[in-house]
Order: sequence, then C-alpha cells, then structure tokens
Amino acid sequence: EIVLTQSPGTLSLSPGERATLSCRTSHSITAYLAWYQQKPGQPPRLLVYGASTRATGIPDRFSGSGSGTDFTLTISRLEPEDFAVYYCQQYGTSLLTFGPGTKLEIK
Amino acid sequence: EVQLLESGGGLVQPGGSLRLSCSASGFTFGNYAMAWVRQAPGKGLEWVSDISGSGLETYYADSVKGRFTISRDTSKNTLYLQMNSLRGEDTAVYYCAKGQQWLLPRLYFDSWGQGILVTVPS
Repeated sequence: EIVLTQSPGTLSLSPGERATLSCRTSHSITAYLAWYQQKPGQPPRLLVYGASTRATGIPDRFSGSGSGTDFTLTISRLEPEDFAVYYCQQYGTSLLTFGPGTKLEIK
Repeated sequence: EVQLLESGGGLVQPGGSLRLSCSASGFTFGNYAMAWVRQAPGKGLEWVSDISGSGLETYYADSVKGRFTISRDTSKNTLYLQMNSLRGEDTAVYYCAKGQQWLLPRLYFDSWGQGILVTVPS
C-alpha cells in the first residue's frame, strides 16, 4: 500500500495570502496524483488530477505540481471560499489511497 | 449535469448486513468506472472499492475484502455496495464516486454523491 503524508496538518492564513500544501507518497507514483477540496457537510470536489491539470471549472489560482513522491498544491491568492480541508489521492496502483488532509483555516 | 444519489444507509447491528445503492444520471453510466469512498465521523477519506465500466473488474480495500461486494446494473444506471459482517469501524458516510475512465485501475473521481450515513454501534 502506498502511504500518503500531507503537511502541514493545519495551515492558518489570511485571505489574499498564498497557500502551499504538500503531499508526499511512500513510493513513486509518477504523476498519478489528484487533489480534492472538502467543505463541512459537503462531498469532496476534484481540483487537480495528473498532479498538475486543473479539473473543469477550477479557478486558475489553484495549481498543482510535482512528480515521483513529492507534490504541491498552491493557491496563489486565498479567497474566503477556499478555507476548507484538502486531500491528495494517489491512483498509481490498484489500491487507491488518500492522504490524511490539510485543514486550511482563516487566521 | 452528473448526479449521484446514494440510498440504503442507516443503523445496523454488528454482524449485520446492508446494501447501499447509488442512482446515476447525467452521463452514460456504462462508460465509466465507479467507486465507493467512505469517511468516518470527523476523519479523512478512505477508498473502499471500485468497479470497471463493464462490471467485470473490481478492487477492494483490505479493510473490507471478503465482507463487501461492489456491483452495478447498467440497465438501471445503479451502483451497489453489499456490506456483510458489519463492524463498528465501518461506521461512516459512504460516497458514491464517478471515475474518469471506463477501465480499472488508476481512478480519480470527478463527481461525488452527497453521501449516506451507515452506523454500526460498537
């Protein structure tokens, strides 16, 4: 099983600031990585797949990068609606796994 | 617009069974792999199982293998999860999720249902 580690666990920032979220995998997954956003009481929403391709309708302030075992989701300028929990998911193997999440909270 | 609507959740005693359904609309159901992902209260996401568009290929998380069975009925545009020998640690919101392609493996999920709660007292 590929284990995903996300850091930090909680990130406290203000609207307008830049957010950098990290996801590391225990084995290389090339670029088979997706990012999701989840708000309380809602299902996850796909943000990025293939490590760097934005999903349909996702604003360009969201960007993904990385390959192998180290990945990053960057939100260039935080909007109030961006405060949520973010999960990474690897799909490089048949046993899919998610990271534990990063909570992005308002400072 | 893709819509996924889960049903069949509820309270079940340890050792009991439950069948979840997910009714799909807004896309050609048989053209996409589907999956179940769960989230225990206050916890993160856990992939449970997925099934190819043909229904012939399936994968399961180790935590549910041998107890849960995923299936689909393309004529009814419906995905199922039969859950047997339920345990307290199976308590979670169960999401139905649409994969990005017909084949397995290597799925990510571009649409999600609202989820359905399954509670197994421990």
